[in-house]
Amino acid sequence: EEHLLESGGGLVQSGGSLRLSCAASGFTFSDYAVTWIRRAPGKGLEWVAGVSSRGTDPQYAESVKGRFTISRDNTKKTMSLQMSNLRVEDTAVYYCVKVWSSFLSGSNWFDPWGQGTLVTVAS
Amino acid sequence: DIQMTQSPSSMFASVGDRVTITCRASQEIGSWLAWYQLKPGKAPKLLVFGASRLQRGVPSRFSGGGSGTDFTLTINTVQPEDFATYFCQQANSFPPAFGQGTRLEIK
Repeated sequence: EEHLLESGGGLVQSGGSLRLSCAASGFTFSDYAVTWIRRAPGKGLEWVAGVSSRGTDPQYAESVKGRFTISRDNTKKTMSLQMSNLRVEDTAVYYCVKVWSSFLSGSNWFDPWGQGTLVTVAS
Repeated sequence: DIQMTQSPSSMFASVGDRVTITCRASQEIGSWLAWYQLKPGKAPKLLVFGASRLQRGVPSRFSGGGSGTDFTLTINTVQPEDFATYFCQQANSFPPAFGQGTRLEIK
């Protein structure tokens, strides 16, 4: 069974940094793009960042560009999201998600998802 | 970027009811639409992709419809485990965009 498990969430002060990790199992990790999607309290889902199967061409939402960095290690079947200069509005549950493709594009479906890790940014 | 608008934002239903959630795209997206189910503390779940294709393992009481700009998710005979929040997602163009969600609550 395909599975994703996030870790690294927690409480951080505004302007601080945090690194999220995601461990994958049950599928050939190196064949698929992966992505981070978040949900702020009481809000909808927001795509945050993604990376292709080979780790090239990372993509970011405008709201995090220049502050977040996504990376992956296909030998370890892991993905990371380095978050810097965090803002109160970055407070959310962050989900690690497999993309049904090796690259990021418009025609992307997302499945499976991890259970999420909560990031809280205090002012 | 494409914007997705869901309605209603919340709704109440009883077990056994038939419910329909709608999603509207700000421009034509063909059949590039998915529906997801979110429950607190659980991994979100893909229900429907390609507007009407049921993901493997999803009960047949769920169905998706529509094309272009207007889409629906229907649950026939709502079950207790269906009370959750549902999101639509457009996959026609990058970046992907989600609706604001519809919370289905028990009446």
